[in-house]
Amino acid sequence: AIQMTQSPSSLSASVGDRVTITCRASQDIRNDLGWYQQKPGKAPKVLINDASSLQSGVPSRFSGSGSGTDFTLTISNLQPEDFATYYCLQDYNYPWTFGQGTKVEFK
Amino acid sequence: EVKLLESGGGLVQPGGSLRLSCAASGFTFRSYAMSWVRQAPGKGLEWVSPISDRGSNTYYVDSVKGRFTISRDNSKNTLYLQMDSLRAEDTAVYYCAKHRDSNGYNGFDYWGQGTLVTVSS
Repeated sequence: AIQMTQSPSSLSASVGDRVTITCRASQDIRNDLGWYQQKPGKAPKVLINDASSLQSGVPSRFSGSGSGTDFTLTISNLQPEDFATYYCLQDYNYPWTFGQGTKVEFK
Repeated sequence: EVKLLESGGGLVQPGGSLRLSCAASGFTFRSYAMSWVRQAPGKGLEWVSPISDRGSNTYYVDSVKGRFTISRDNSKNTLYLQMDSLRAEDTAVYYCAKHRDSNGYNGFDYWGQGTLVTVSS
């Protein structure tokens, strides 16, 4: 199975900051990667598919980039509602695998 | 508006069985693949099983292979997960998720709110 390694596992940030989360795949997955946001006690929410395509309704401060093995989720101008845990997911081949998550906490 | 509503979770003893359901609305259910994803308490997400639009193609992660069965009834707009020989490590919130395509090769665009399964004596 493809391993997805996210970093950092957690970070502290302030409102207005620019935050970057990375995800590395153990093999080439083209651009078959999605990013998900999860708040405590809630279901995950889709932010980005195909590495950089913003899901409908997601604020433009979220952006994704990368291809092959290295991917990045960037949140520019961090807002209070963005404090959450973020996961990447490779949908290149079965079994699909998630990164271990990155918790964005308030500094 | 797309809605996915899971049900059927609860407390079950090790070795027991449970069937989860996911009622879908707001989209043409029979045209999209669906998946189950789970999350153990305090842990990350684990993709469990997908099923294609007509139910002809399925897949299972190794940890549930031979014990779980995914199915769907397109006439009822409902997805199912039959879970047998349950183990303590199956304890998790189980989410259903809608794929963006019919075959299950593309990522998700909607998730349900989840149903908790607890396996304990």
